[in-house]
Amino acid sequence: AQSVTQLGSHVSVSEGALVLLRCNYSSSVPPYLFWYVQYPNQGLQLLLKYTSAATLVKGINGFEAEFKKSETSFHLTKPSAHMSDAAEYFCAVSSNTGNQFYFGTGTSLTVIP
Amino acid sequence: NAGVMQNPRHLVRRRGQEARLRCSPMKGHSHVYWYRQLPEEGLKFMVYLQKENIIDESGMPKERFSAEFPKEGPSILRIQQVVRGDSAAYFCASSPYSGSGHTEAFFGQGTRLTVV
Repeated sequence: AQSVTQLGSHVSVSEGALVLLRCNYSSSVPPYLFWYVQYPNQGLQLLLKYTSAATLVKGINGFEAEFKKSETSFHLTKPSAHMSDAAEYFCAVSSNTGNQFYFGTGTSLTVIP
Repeated sequence: NAGVMQNPRHLVRRRGQEARLRCSPMKGHSHVYWYRQLPEEGLKFMVYLQKENIIDESGMPKERFSAEFPKEGPSILRIQQVVRGDSAAYFCASSPYSGSGHTEAFFGQGTRLTVV
């Protein structure tokens, strides 16, 4: 069985501050992990993905995430928040044998000027 | 290469009517997923289809909901006798299958269903 848990449904940061969005996964097989971003009234856009290569994954818009097997985590970070980063962020897990992409409940990021 | 196309973007139905949501996957993608997103909630998996085959429908409500992905044409999510609780955003995603596993899912813009 696979699942993801996103801690914190709402996160607020000041512009220029570090962004940290948490994701923990549960998987009985080696996971594929994803972060997606959703802007208002839009579909989901892939930020980055982990598919068993490098554990530190760099994505678009300055985001990156680190796969930590010992902590079953895949937290998303960005050194300096921009106003344009305000959106909903979803973590997802799949596998090389799975049928589905399992999504977390999402974290809404607010950036304060 | 056009992305995943969903139509209509917005759909208003009266209680008891039928809603048909369409999804054309990206070119070359043979796998389609449907998700439902309720306000303030995450994405809930509904169904996973290949062409002419339902792979996993464990997230579909037992009644009134059905999905298909015919050999030709878009995938259709059908909701019969809609109720107010069906009001939500419905997202379609498609994925290529390389034989060694799935890559990421590519999402459409969604169809926002409002039942009045």
